[in-house]
Amino acid sequence: AQSVTQLGSHVSVSEGALVLLRCNYSSSVPPYLFWYVQYPNQGLQLLLKYTTGATLVKGINGFEAEFKKSETSFHLTKPSAHMSDAAEYFCAVSAITGGGNKLTFGTGTQLKVEL
Amino acid sequence: EAEVAQSPRYKITEKSQAVAFWCDPISGHATLYWYRQILGQGPELLVQFQDESVVDDSQLPKDRFSAERLKGVDSTLKIQPAELGDSAMYLCASSLRRGGSPSTDTQYFGPGTRLTVL
Repeated sequence: AQSVTQLGSHVSVSEGALVLLRCNYSSSVPPYLFWYVQYPNQGLQLLLKYTTGATLVKGINGFEAEFKKSETSFHLTKPSAHMSDAAEYFCAVSAITGGGNKLTFGTGTQLKVEL
Repeated sequence: EAEVAQSPRYKITEKSQAVAFWCDPISGHATLYWYRQILGQGPELLVQFQDESVVDDSQLPKDRFSAERLKGVDSTLKIQPAELGDSAMYLCASSLRRGGSPSTDTQYFGPGTRLTVL
């Protein structure tokens, strides 16, 4: 079984400050890991994903995440927060099912960006 | 850019009534997913189709929920009868490949249907 734990349901940063959203995973097999963003009353948009290879993954909107196997972590960072980054962020881990890949999501972290 | 379409966007119903949600995936996408997202939680997979066939419905409450994808294109999720605990966002997603690997097969999400059961 696979699972994801997101530490901190709410994170608040000042505009221009570093964004750090934490995600730890549990997986019995090498994991595929994802970060999605959700704006109010909208669906989820893929920010980035880790599959194999380079452990530092760059995504859209200036976000990046680093896969650390020894720490079972996949934290999301952005050097400088912008007001438009305010949204809910979900970390997810994937498992292969009979017909495709099944995503297991964390409970989400609401990011607030203040002036 | 092609998108996953869902309707309605919002639905309010009374408990014991029947409700239905519709999803039109991105054209050509073989795999379709229905997720339920309860407020304050992450999405949870309810059912997954590959073409017209169900490949995973282990988390679908089959006593009241049903889903179909008759022609392997659009899909309908139905709840009958609705209960108060069904209030949630219902998200549809699609991905291109059959039996896709997560390394190459991204899931694209629709805007969701927010259901309120009174």
